[in-house]
Amino acid sequence: GAVVSQHPSRVICKSGTSVKIECRSLDFQATTMFWYRQFPKQSLMLMATSNEGSKATYEQGVEKDKFLINHASLTLSTLTVTSAHPEDSSFYICSARGSGGGTDTQYFGPGTRLTVL
Amino acid sequence: AQSVTQLGSHVSVSEGALVLLRCNYSSSVPPYLFWYVQYPNQGLQLLLKYTTGATLVKGINGFEAEFKKSETSFHLTKPSAHMSDAAEYFCAQKGWGAQKLVFGQGTRLTINP
Repeated sequence: GAVVSQHPSRVICKSGTSVKIECRSLDFQATTMFWYRQFPKQSLMLMATSNEGSKATYEQGVEKDKFLINHASLTLSTLTVTSAHPEDSSFYICSARGSGGGTDTQYFGPGTRLTVL
Repeated sequence: AQSVTQLGSHVSVSEGALVLLRCNYSSSVPPYLFWYVQYPNQGLQLLLKYTTGATLVKGINGFEAEFKKSETSFHLTKPSAHMSDAAEYFCAQKGWGAQKLVFGQGTRLTINP
């Protein structure tokens, strides 16, 4: 149980284009989803927290207009990197937290490696 | 502010030796504590967690961790390292009622044959 998927696992795009990353909770309802960014050999940096049906809460320094987050259902959240630039190249990881007995634990997706040329 | 400190960004042990990865947290009240493992180019997998109750927590793959309030520690151990344990390990804490996880900087575990 508690499986989170991400799609795509890897994406390469040209500078200036937008990229959408999907995060799905496969076997539970995720009331809250989190988006992280991870640079090589570093820890995870929380970008934003999204609760189903409401606007995402962004961490300080994260541009809301650049990183659009939508959490339209209890099993799906999307992160859109708009007008991507090479400095946006990174490993993006989502996590999900369910309702009920497992509210204290985040389950992580496998990550999406974004390369912007 | 809450923080998590993992002592040693890189730990190297021989196959079959004891694994000890150190984690200290800062919190005014006992938090929820977690250890996650990350293999190359993958997401994080939950190894174990402490919420309440028994302070010695057993996880997957033979790992365990002990919550010591007096030392504000939650060190991860495994009696006998296996080559497949080579990975990055993250300790994290979450305050009661809080949404966010606070991560340590990670410890890369290398296993020598």
